[in-house]
Amino acid sequence: GAGVSQSPRYKVAKRGQDVALRCDPISGHVSLFWYQQALGQGPEFLTYFQNEAQLDKSGLPSDRFFAERPEGSVSTLKIQRTQQEDSAVYLCASSPGTGGLETQYFGPGTRLLVL
Amino acid sequence: GENVEQHPSTLSVQEGDSAVIKCTYSDSASNYFPWYKQELGKRPQLIIDIRSNVGEKKDQRIAVTLNKTAKHFSLHITETQPEDSAVYFCAASGSNYQLIWGAGTKLIIKP
Repeated sequence: GAGVSQSPRYKVAKRGQDVALRCDPISGHVSLFWYQQALGQGPEFLTYFQNEAQLDKSGLPSDRFFAERPEGSVSTLKIQRTQQEDSAVYLCASSPGTGGLETQYFGPGTRLLVL
Repeated sequence: GENVEQHPSTLSVQEGDSAVIKCTYSDSASNYFPWYKQELGKRPQLIIDIRSNVGEKKDQRIAVTLNKTAKHFSLHITETQPEDSAVYFCAASGSNYQLIWGAGTKLIIKP
């Protein structure tokens, strides 16, 4: 079946521009995660949704970052007034239920470059 | 909060030899420990995972061991092949089911 998909795959933004990154999780998956991966580093947690509820946003680096999942499926990560330090790969992952022992399935990521 | 340390950062082994990557974690409440393989420009792919009620798990050439007392877990790859070349990440479960990741190990298989 279809895996996690993300769009766009690449995004170049000018500093100060707003961007929106989309994640389509595996159909029926309850949990959805956003991670930020800087070059040469491991992914870092940004936020977590259980269905449409955003249960944890402790990893969002500033109030310029906002995420939503209004119908409990597709999610959007929005970054306002982008800065150069926002350049990274943004990964989305989903898992079937709400258990902490479940496998997280990752999308291909969106590579964001802020000039 | 949880912190995960991973060593070495780069590992070069001869094809056919074994590779071992080690991770330590800080939060004794962590109970899920996956390993992901990430090739350049691609998504992380789960290769094996272990839960805290198990000490060792094996899947063909790949095995993971977990020592909860010492708070460390290791990935073992035997009979390494060129296609094993990639960056490997360990992770440990944090609060709200998030994963806390190590910094990665670049595995190079020399022909």
